[in-house]
Amino acid sequence: DQQVKQNSPSLSVQEGRISILNCDYTNSMFDYFLWYKKYPAEGPTFLISISSIKDKNEDGRFTVFLNKSAKHLSLHIVPSQPGDSAVYFCAASSPSVGADGLTFGKGTHLIIQP
Amino acid sequence: EPEVTQTPSHQVTQMGQEVILRCVPISNHLYFYWYRQILGQKVEFLVSFYNNEISEKSEIFDDQFSVERPDGSNFTLKIRSTKLEDSAMYFCASGGGARGGQPQHFGDGTRLSIL
Repeated sequence: DQQVKQNSPSLSVQEGRISILNCDYTNSMFDYFLWYKKYPAEGPTFLISISSIKDKNEDGRFTVFLNKSAKHLSLHIVPSQPGDSAVYFCAASSPSVGADGLTFGKGTHLIIQP
Repeated sequence: EPEVTQTPSHQVTQMGQEVILRCVPISNHLYFYWYRQILGQKVEFLVSFYNNEISEKSEIFDDQFSVERPDGSNFTLKIRSTKLEDSAMYFCASGGGARGGQPQHFGDGTRLSIL
C-alpha cells in the first residue's frame, strides 16, 4: 500500500546544477507534505514543508512545488552542493490518519558529483 | 539547536525478551511519535502521543507495544515479547503542534536487533 511513492531510488547530479526530486501520492486526503533528508546512521532531518493550500514554498536553496491535481510534489535544490548527498524522503499527513502520523515514501538517494 | 535524543543507539535482545527504547523529546514539544524502519523498507508510523495518552496508532502497534511518558522528559517505547521481525531502526520524533502546524523532528534512532 504505497500511498506516497518516490519512483527514483537514486539520482546523480553535478555540483552546482539543479537537483529535482519527485514524489507522487494517491491519498487525496493528504493536506500537508514534508521533505526530510537523511544521512547514514542519523535520523531524518526536516528540510521544508508545504500545505495543500499552497503550490510553492521556498527556503534558501530548497523549493517545494505541489501540484494537487496531479497529486505530485517535487523538491528543487539549487545549486546542488556536495553536502546535499543523502537520502531524501517525501512524507505526508492527513486528518483521517489522526494526530498527524506521517506516511513516508521509500526515499531517493541523491548523489552530488564534483 | 534543540534535538531529540534516543538511547541506546543499538540494542541487542533475545527473542521473547522485553525491551524498552528511550527518547528525550525537544523540551517544549507536546506531541511525540514513534516510527520504525525495517532494513531496506520505508519509515513507518507506529504511534503518536499527546496529553499523556495515545492519540493515534497504526496496525503495526499491537498489544505487544506500549508507550509511556514516565516523567516530564522521557518518552519510552516498550515491546513486551520481542519477535525476530521486530528487528528495525526505531525513531522517536517530537513536534510542537499537531496537523502540519510544525514539523516533526526526529532522533538518530535505536537499532534493535532480535536474536
